[in-house]
Amino acid sequence: DTGVSQNPRHKITKRGQNVTFRCDPISEHNRLYWYRQTLGQGPEFLTYFQNEAQLEKSRLLSDRFSAERPKGSFSTLEIQRTEQGDSAMYLCASSLAGVSPLHFGNGTRLTVT
Amino acid sequence: ELKVEQNPLFLSMQEGKNYTIYCNYSTTSDRLYWYRQDPGKSLESLFVLLSNGAVKQEGRLMASLDTKARLSTLHITAAVHDLSATYFCAVVQYSGGGADGLTFGKGTHLIIQP
Repeated sequence: DTGVSQNPRHKITKRGQNVTFRCDPISEHNRLYWYRQTLGQGPEFLTYFQNEAQLEKSRLLSDRFSAERPKGSFSTLEIQRTEQGDSAMYLCASSLAGVSPLHFGNGTRLTVT
Repeated sequence: ELKVEQNPLFLSMQEGKNYTIYCNYSTTSDRLYWYRQDPGKSLESLFVLLSNGAVKQEGRLMASLDTKARLSTLHITAAVHDLSATYFCAVVQYSGGGADGLTFGKGTHLIIQP
């Protein structure tokens, strides 16, 4: 399977804990995106990378959120000091630069108790 | 700030009928995408519309784009149950650095009944 891979699929954590999610994009794609989706809503853009450069991060939801893509391949999204409002599906997508569509992974569902 | 509005948000229709989903967006953009999402699954790309007047068709689905009106439509012809899903439109947002991520509408939850 050469699609976008996300791990873990599910994460349950207690409020205040830190969590990290991983995304492995389609190998030839140079752009990688993170989105958050809550029930009944469309995906909400968080940040994106072109190769290893993070080109937009102003829409990360707070300073508790950070993302890295250290070698221009896989990426991680970290949420520090989780809150119940962080419970959502976190989606990763990748694409080639230009007009090609984003290819989404199956997401990581986060539940904060 | 770019806003993307879809209507209707919920649609129940019978097999064999035709219907149209509308997507309006608030600022100039020249790229619009349609995605499908099945329950518990991720998003699947349906169409990429790149210019004013663009029309794409795949099976019973046809999408069009009017950049002057900032409107896209997704038309369903002779609906079948397998088309039941949530459909999202998404518009490219531009910043000083160029094209950023997509801004999505809230989605249209479509149920097609026999």
